[in-house]
Order: sequence, then structure tokens, then C-alpha cells
Amino acid sequence: EVQLVESGGGLVEPGGSLRLSCAASGFNFIDYTMNWVRQAPGRGLEWVSSISPTANYKYYADSVRGRFTISRDNAENSLYLQLHSLRVEDTAVYYCARDVLKNSYATGFDIWGRGAMLTVSS
Amino acid sequence: HSVLTQPPSASGTPGQRVTISCSGTSSNIGRYTVNWYQQLPGTAPKLLIYSDNQRPSGVPDRFSGSKSGTSVSLAIGGLQSDDEADYFCATWDDRLNGYVFGTGTKVTVL
Repeated sequence: EVQLVESGGGLVEPGGSLRLSCAASGFNFIDYTMNWVRQAPGRGLEWVSSISPTANYKYYADSVRGRFTISRDNAENSLYLQLHSLRVEDTAVYYCARDVLKNSYATGFDIWGRGAMLTVSS
Repeated sequence: HSVLTQPPSASGTPGQRVTISCSGTSSNIGRYTVNWYQQLPGTAPKLLIYSDNQRPSGVPDRFSGSKSGTSVSLAIGGLQSDDEADYFCATWDDRLNGYVFGTGTKVTVL
């Protein structure tokens, strides 16, 4: 079964750090661009970051650039998001998602995890 | 504030056809293909349409996408009660150098 499972969410104080992980299974992970998307409570979807199959290219939303770092371990079929200097407005469900087409980007995200909740609060 | 604008709501009765619009600019919709997502309450989004008008396997042909210039539309034919959800358009934006989602449209089945 094709699957993505996020982990690492929780409660963090403003200014703190956290690493989110996403374990992939059921498909050839190295063939796909991977992405992080977040959704604040009661709000719409916000793209956070994308990483190309061999990590040559990384893209970030302006709201997180310089604070968040995306990475992947193709040997472990895992995607990561390191979050630093967290703000209250980073509170959201964080989803990892796979591009629908191999070796491309922003073609549409067809596989999504169930999400990891991050709450930034003192 | 999103660069892709959608109406906040749309509605129809069972069996009707509902259309949702998404308006952008030459730096996003005018240049790149568009995707549509459905999000049922409390669940992760689901890809309905990619590359403007392609359906992933398993998505019924009641859902269709079209494009004209810097605007796109999602049509839902034969509206069903389980189509009640939020719908988001999305694409790449050159000026932001990132992927952008629309503001979202809540579809209600009357």
C-alpha cells in the first residue's frame, strides 16, 4: 500500500525547534519530489516546502525561508522538516505529500499523510 | 492572502452541476498547469485534478477541470451529498517561486 506517515508533532514554546518526519512506503521514494503543506486551525492550505528526488533543488515559502529546512534520506525512504525559531503562527497540521508525476515538481500532490499537529504556544 | 482567488462558497441540490472558479495571473495560472483538491472535514486533502484537466485513477468523471487564460474552473456534475467539502485550486507561481493554493471554496449540498 502506498503510504505516508508523519511524526514528530507536539507542543513547542515560541522560539523553539522541532523536527518533523515522514515515512514513505509502497512506492519508489527516490523517483518523486516530496512536499510539506500545512493548515492552521480553521484556515486554508499553505504550501511550505518542496525537495527534488535527489535533493538538488529545495524550495520554501517566504513565511518559513531561513527558519525551516527540508531534507530527505532516500535510503531510509524518509522526508524531514527541521523547524527553528518557531512562532505562534506556525501552529498547524503539517502534511507531507508526494508529487503525482515522477521526476517533476508542482504537478499535483496525490499521496498525503494524515498530518502531524504542531502547536506553538507558551 | 493568496494569489489565487476562489469564491468562498458554492451550493447545489443533489444531481445538479456546480462550477467553482479560480482566478490567477500570468505568473501562475497563465504559465503553469493547475491542480484541484478536495478536503472533507477532518481529513487530508485529496487530489481531484492535475495538469488542468487530468483525473488521478479512482476520481469519478463527474469531476472535470478547464482553463482559459489566467482562470480555471472545476465542475462537479451530478452533485452528491458526499461532495460536501472544501475545494482548493493550486499551481506554481513564478513571482513567489513557490506553490500556491487558492483561498478555498466550501461546497454545500442543499
